[in-house]
Amino acid sequence: RKEVEQDPGPFNVPEGATVAFNCTYSNSASQSFFWYRQDCRKEPKLLMSVYSSGNEDGRFTAQLNRASQYISLLIRDSKLSDSATYLCVVIRTGNQFYFGTGTSLTVIP
Amino acid sequence: DADVTQTPRNRITKTGKRIMLECSQTKGHDRMYWYRQDPGLGLRLIYYSFDVKDINKGEISDGYSVSRQAQAKFSLSLESAIPNQTALYFCATSEPGGQGKFYNEQFFGPGTRLTVL
Repeated sequence: RKEVEQDPGPFNVPEGATVAFNCTYSNSASQSFFWYRQDCRKEPKLLMSVYSSGNEDGRFTAQLNRASQYISLLIRDSKLSDSATYLCVVIRTGNQFYFGTGTSLTVIP
Repeated sequence: DADVTQTPRNRITKTGKRIMLECSQTKGHDRMYWYRQDPGLGLRLIYYSFDVKDINKGEISDGYSVSRQAQAKFSLSLESAIPNQTALYFCATSEPGGQGKFYNEQFFGPGTRLTVL
């Protein structure tokens, strides 16, 4: 079983829509969680950290569910500029870093 | 100027050749990482270094070696390149965690696209 699993999509949504991605992880010893954004042929860039209490940054909300071992990313009022691949990252004890394969989002005018 | 730079940006080489990918950073971070990205497999950690004297294997270190020449420089070598090492390689840096956080944001370089024929 993969350490981190994401639905690759693609998700094609109209502008203004709300879209949600989930990412499941297999090891309960995982400590830190992040969402990164990667544009085509570019380097990944941090979108937001994910905290146990959940966190929000503008139109983006991230949540962690330790009991079910998943993290989620919610994007409200989608913009054309949100089109990208979204990577979840899970880090567990022993400095083991695991990236998901990414979920592709295209926002359509 | 970019905070994390990688050279070369593109490289085509032949099976059996030795190749070195270089990473430099001006962020002053102690922690540096090398990843490879393959379609359908995501980013996978090859090696990481938490300071100049610290080198650790990641998930897929076989066939690779690294050198941390200074705080700002971390090189990845393929001693004898093979075709399945064709991939996009990223270097990244980060600060140590603090204030209850184990890990901080990683800053990635622009990537090196390596093709092994």
